[in-house]
Amino acid sequence: NAGVMQNPRHLVRRRGQEARLRCSPMKGHSHVYWYRQLPEEGLKFMVYLQKENIIDESGMPKERFSAEFPKEGPSILRIQQVVRGDSAAYFCASSPKWQNTGELFFGEGSRLTVL
Amino acid sequence: SQQGEEDPQALSIQEGENATMNCSYKTSINNLQWYRQNSGRGLVHLILIRSNEREKHSGRLRVTLDTSKKSSSLLITASRAADTASYFCATEAIRGAQKLVFGQGTRLTINP
Repeated sequence: NAGVMQNPRHLVRRRGQEARLRCSPMKGHSHVYWYRQLPEEGLKFMVYLQKENIIDESGMPKERFSAEFPKEGPSILRIQQVVRGDSAAYFCASSPKWQNTGELFFGEGSRLTVL
Repeated sequence: SQQGEEDPQALSIQEGENATMNCSYKTSINNLQWYRQNSGRGLVHLILIRSNEREKHSGRLRVTLDTSKKSSSLLITASRAADTASYFCATEAIRGAQKLVFGQGTRLTINP
């Protein structure tokens, strides 16, 4: 039973380019969360999605960042016109449902470096 | 602002000793969870304690929760070199957002 799959694991972009990060949740999981982690820091919540719905995007920067979780296929975190400050590790996590919650299952992360 | 704050930020002990990490939070919660992160890897869930529980054990892990003080502690007994990692607490607030909010983490180093 595969875990949460994220790709790419490492991504290098020049300033102004676009970054697309993909996340396939665990089988049977319909809830996806994206978090960002700067070096030596904790995880900052970005967005919570269910299939075809954005439930909570309170942690997403207002500009350049977008996320989707289509009916078919992986969840995508898209960063347009990247800047150096976007360099970070981006983690995706999934859960089967929200029921006074349980654990989140994390992927290995996508590490974005902006030159 | 961040919900959970861990203390200490870094901890270095000898193998075999016990390691204690603390977490404080600000709002009322449904539950509190602890996660481990090895360098360069994703987070792995360790243990969940609900707001109506005061203590929970899992193997060499012991977690306490004091909702009156809005604090939790994670104790790792008989530490091993493989326990070297960063440890994060995460909370789910009672009201509103259906998400986990993570603290800054404690970097634990176990010296052989």
